[in-house]
Amino acid sequence: KQEVTQIPAALSVPEGENLVLNCSFTDSAIYNLQWFRQDPGKGLTSLLLIQSSQREQTSGRLNASLDKSSGRSTLYIAASQPGDSATYLCAAPSGGETSGSRLTFGEGTQLTVNP
Amino acid sequence: AAGVIQSPRHLIKEKRETATLKCYPIPRHDTVYWYQQGPGQDPQFLISFYEKMQSDKGSIPDRFSAQQFSDYHSELNMSSLELGDSALYFCASSLRFNLAGGPGLDEQFFGPGTRLTVL
Repeated sequence: KQEVTQIPAALSVPEGENLVLNCSFTDSAIYNLQWFRQDPGKGLTSLLLIQSSQREQTSGRLNASLDKSSGRSTLYIAASQPGDSATYLCAAPSGGETSGSRLTFGEGTQLTVNP
Repeated sequence: AAGVIQSPRHLIKEKRETATLKCYPIPRHDTVYWYQQGPGQDPQFLISFYEKMQSDKGSIPDRFSAQQFSDYHSELNMSSLELGDSALYFCASSLRFNLAGGPGLDEQFFGPGTRLTVL
């Protein structure tokens, strides 16, 4: 059974800081891993998808890395902005290295970027 | 680009009533997933369909059922509603296999959710 843990649970930083969000998962036989953003009461926005064969993926100020063997992923946010304030969720599939698997989510990191 | 569409966006029901949530996946996506997110919790998987066949089942109560239709839209039917069913219900879709039959990215895209309130 896949279990996903995210550290820290909450983070408050001043604008402009670079920050790292951590995610660990117990079953390393994964097809891919996704990072999502969720604003309060809103839907989930997919930020980055890392395929199992990749070590990292970049989109704008976001960079996600994946180390399958150690069961870890990190999300790096450069030059944080107040608009980055949201909950960031890491999700790993639970069906082994096959596609179409349910996602297991971590409890998220609640990020606040202060102007 | 087209996104996942869910309706209704908000639904208020009384205990013991029934509710039907609808999901329209991204065109050409072959897999649909349903998740439930309670207040202050992370999303929990309910059920999924691949090419209109149920492919996986999670912690979905027996009072709930779901299906995917020939046009690929999906419906989640909830009966004998309880107060604890109040939650955000998300539908997601992904592409497991591309048109050539090779592996798709299988990135799950989520809809905006249906907020169900049971009074």
